[in-house]
Amino acid sequence: DTAVSQTPKYLVTQMGNDKSIKCEQNLGHDTMYWYKQDSKKFLKIMFSYNNKELIINETVPNRFSPKSPDKAHLNLHINSLELGDSAVYFCASSRQGLTSTYEQYFGPGTRLTVT
Amino acid sequence: AQKVTQAQTEISVVEKEDVTLDCVYETRDTTYYLFWYKQPPSGELVFLIRRNSFDEQNEISGRYSWNFQKSTSSFNFTITASQVVDSAVYFCALSEDTFGNEKLTFGTGTRLTIIP
Repeated sequence: DTAVSQTPKYLVTQMGNDKSIKCEQNLGHDTMYWYKQDSKKFLKIMFSYNNKELIINETVPNRFSPKSPDKAHLNLHINSLELGDSAVYFCASSRQGLTSTYEQYFGPGTRLTVT
Repeated sequence: AQKVTQAQTEISVVEKEDVTLDCVYETRDTTYYLFWYKQPPSGELVFLIRRNSFDEQNEISGRYSWNFQKSTSSFNFTITASQVVDSAVYFCALSEDTFGNEKLTFGTGTRLTIIP
C-alpha cells in the first residue's frame, strides 16, 4: 500500500494554464505539506496543513492555492502557470506531536514542466 | 532563522570504501530535530533517521551510522562498506520545535556516487 501518493507523476503544460496536483496519505497523519524542489535539487517548503487548517504559508505567490478537503488529502492548484514554476513538487505527511516533532513521509513527487 | 549547510556538493568513492557526509546546522532553539533523507535516482525521498537535540548518542543501523555533536552543531552520516545502491543525493534537514510549525529546512544535498 502506498503511504503518500500523488497524481499525476508528470505534468507538462503551457504557460498561462491552470493545473492541479492531488495528494493523499493513508498513514492517519494529521499534518500534510507541499514542498518544491527546483532544478538544482533545492527543497523548500511551500505550505503545511494540520487537520485541514493552513499552518504554514511560506511566501508563495498567490497563484498557488492549497486545498485540504479532509485530513487525508491536500491538493495544490496553480493558476496562470509560469516557466519558473517548472519543478518537482512533493507532498508529505507527518504525525502531529504535542511534545515532539516527527519525521515526514514524502510522496513520489510530481514533475511539472511549463513550456 | 534555521539553516543547514552541506558543504560537500558531490562525492565519489569506490565501492566498499567508507564515506562520511557532513551536515552543519544553525538554530537559536534549544529543542530541535535533525533528519537525513535519501533521494535515489528514481526521485523519491526516503526517510533515514530522526534525532532530537537532547539525544547525542550516536546511532548505527546496519552500514549506516550517524554522529551528532552539539558542540560543533554537526550531524554527520557515515556509510560503511559502500555499495552501488547507496548512490543517491542525501539531504540533511532541521526542524525547530515550534508546535504546529514543524517545517523541514533542508540542506542543499550531497550527491554520492559509488563507483563499482
